[in-house]
Amino acid sequence: DIQLTQSPSSLSASVGDRVTITCRASQNIITYLNWYQQKPGKAPKVLMSAASSLQGGVPSRFSGSGSGTDFSLIISNLQPEDFATYYCQQTYSIPLTFGGGTKVEIK
Amino acid sequence: QVQLQESGPGLVKPSETLSLTCTVAVGSVTNPTDYWCWVRQPPGKGLEWIGYVYHSGKTNYNPSLQSRATISADTSRNQFSLKVTSVTAADTAVYYCARWYYVSGRPFDSWGQGMLVTVSS
Repeated sequence: DIQLTQSPSSLSASVGDRVTITCRASQNIITYLNWYQQKPGKAPKVLMSAASSLQGGVPSRFSGSGSGTDFSLIISNLQPEDFATYYCQQTYSIPLTFGGGTKVEIK
Repeated sequence: QVQLQESGPGLVKPSETLSLTCTVAVGSVTNPTDYWCWVRQPPGKGLEWIGYVYHSGKTNYNPSLQSRATISADTSRNQFSLKVTSVTAADTAVYYCARWYYVSGRPFDSWGQGMLVTVSS
């Protein structure tokens, strides 16, 4: 199984901050890496697919990068609605796996 | 936009079988680009992929469920279903159905709202 290690597991930030979340895969997944945002009591919502392709309707302050084993999700100019938990996911091989999540909290 | 809706019992007794259905309210389970998945999330924990079904009947599962999970599709009703046998308290979770859009980055781009299933006597 491909393990995805997210860091940090949680962070505190202020509105307007730039936040970087990283996801490291245990083997090469090329760019089969997606990012999701989940708010309490809600289903996850896809933000980014193929490591850096912004999904329709997602604000441009979200960006993604990386390939191979190292990936990043960057939120520039953090907004109040961005406080949530973020997950990476690999769809390179079965079983599909998710990272452990990064909780972004208000400082 | 594909719309999904989970349904089924919210309480299951230990050692019994958990059964959930996902209705594809908008969209079609026979769409050739789509695989239909179940994902679960124990309270306060992360996401775990359970498995998928393709409209042809092809399935694949997470070995972590040790062959207890079965996913099937009913194309006439535009639904797909999950069964998990011999449940224990560790199977208590919010269960989501999701579409795996098998193009480009292959994201899970549509999700149901989720259904909490509690395993308890």
